[in-house]
Amino acid sequence: GQNIDQPTEMTATEGAIVQINCTYQTSGFNGLFWYQQHAGEAPTFLSYNVLDGLEEKGRFSSFLSRSKGYSYLLLKELQMKDSASYLCAVVDSNYQLIWGAGTKLIIKP
Amino acid sequence: DVKVTQSSRYLVKRTGEKVFLECVQDMDHENMFWYRQDPGLGLRLIYFSYDVKMKEKGDIPEGYSVSREKKERFSLILESASTNQTSMYLCASSTGTAYQPQHFGDGTRLSIL
Repeated sequence: GQNIDQPTEMTATEGAIVQINCTYQTSGFNGLFWYQQHAGEAPTFLSYNVLDGLEEKGRFSSFLSRSKGYSYLLLKELQMKDSASYLCAVVDSNYQLIWGAGTKLIIKP
Repeated sequence: DVKVTQSSRYLVKRTGEKVFLECVQDMDHENMFWYRQDPGLGLRLIYFSYDVKMKEKGDIPEGYSVSREKKERFSLILESASTNQTSMYLCASSTGTAYQPQHFGDGTRLSIL
């Protein structure tokens, strides 16, 4: 079967750095998305990785290792507004999105 | 900016009722999707559509149907609502291939009593 694993919840301190991991076992791989979802709001697109390596976008970076079936989202200089759920999703061999359950990130002052 | 609008943020219906959830996007996207989101589970795809009048079953189509008569509008229908369909329903749209990000509406929290 297809499976995406993320930690259920993480806590971090304002101003710090946090890494949210995502491991996947899917039938084929055509890229991996990260989305952010604030409570009661729509998920919004953060990043898309299809090649190995790190891609940086301001305070957020996303890393992919296809051989390990592993990705992480790195958030630097955490702000209170970063409190949200972070969703990992993989495009499988049928070009369908397989979603993880999401990681709820709590930022403390 | 892409705007995906869902007709209701909150909806309460009774068991056995026929329920319509509406979704409209304003960016001429070819692809539209309906998901449900439940605590502890990932987004689960109910139905999707790649073009007007076309529809494809997702992972959990049972008890649901869809309609896409116009490119900008994608409707989800609960034929006879049941309590296990109480959930958050999210509509999304995207252009082109699966490599393009999906743009989501704010969701409809549906309660079936």
